[in-house]
Amino acid sequence: RKEVEQDPGPFNVPEGATVAFNCTYSNSASQSFFWYRQDCRKEPKLLMSVYSSGNEDGRFTAQLNRASQYISLLIRDSKLSDSATYLCVVNVYNFNKFYFGSGTKLNVKP
Amino acid sequence: NAGVTQTPKFRVLKTGQSMTLLCAQDMNHEYMYWYRQDPGMGLRLIHYSVGEGTTAKGEVPDGYNVSRLKKQNFLLGLESAAPSQTSVYFCAIYSLNTGELFFGEGSRLTVL
Repeated sequence: RKEVEQDPGPFNVPEGATVAFNCTYSNSASQSFFWYRQDCRKEPKLLMSVYSSGNEDGRFTAQLNRASQYISLLIRDSKLSDSATYLCVVNVYNFNKFYFGSGTKLNVKP
Repeated sequence: NAGVTQTPKFRVLKTGQSMTLLCAQDMNHEYMYWYRQDPGMGLRLIHYSVGEGTTAKGEVPDGYNVSRLKKQNFLLGLESAAPSQTSVYFCAIYSLNTGELFFGEGSRLTVL
């Protein structure tokens, strides 16, 4: 079983739409959670950390449900520039080993 | 790329050849990682290091060796390349201050 699972998509949405991604993780000992963004043929970059109480950064909202072991990312008012692959990342506290989902691809269309 | 440099960026090898990928950081971080990324598989941890002179196996270590002789550098070696090692390799460092992973630009390796 994979440590982190995501719907690969693609999610094809029009500009201005709201889109949500979910991610599930298998290890209940997971300590910290993140969303990374990866553009085509580029390296992943941190989008936002995910806190237990939920957190927001502009148009992006991340939430964590420890009981159900899933993480979500909500993007409001989608822009063309949001087109990318979004990676769910979980840190199991063991020498800071990070486990990555395979990513969810988002295409925002004009 | 927050000071993480990978070389080379591209390489084509024949089966059985050897090569070394170099990851260099200029930020004095202890933790360094080597990942490989394949279509549909996400990033998988090959080896990692928690400090100079230390290395440890990740999820997919077979066929790879690593060394961390200097704190700034983390080397990934392929002793006898196989087509299954065709992939994009990413080096990353972990910032204890911010809890963030910073990645290099990646190294695209093709084994024929």
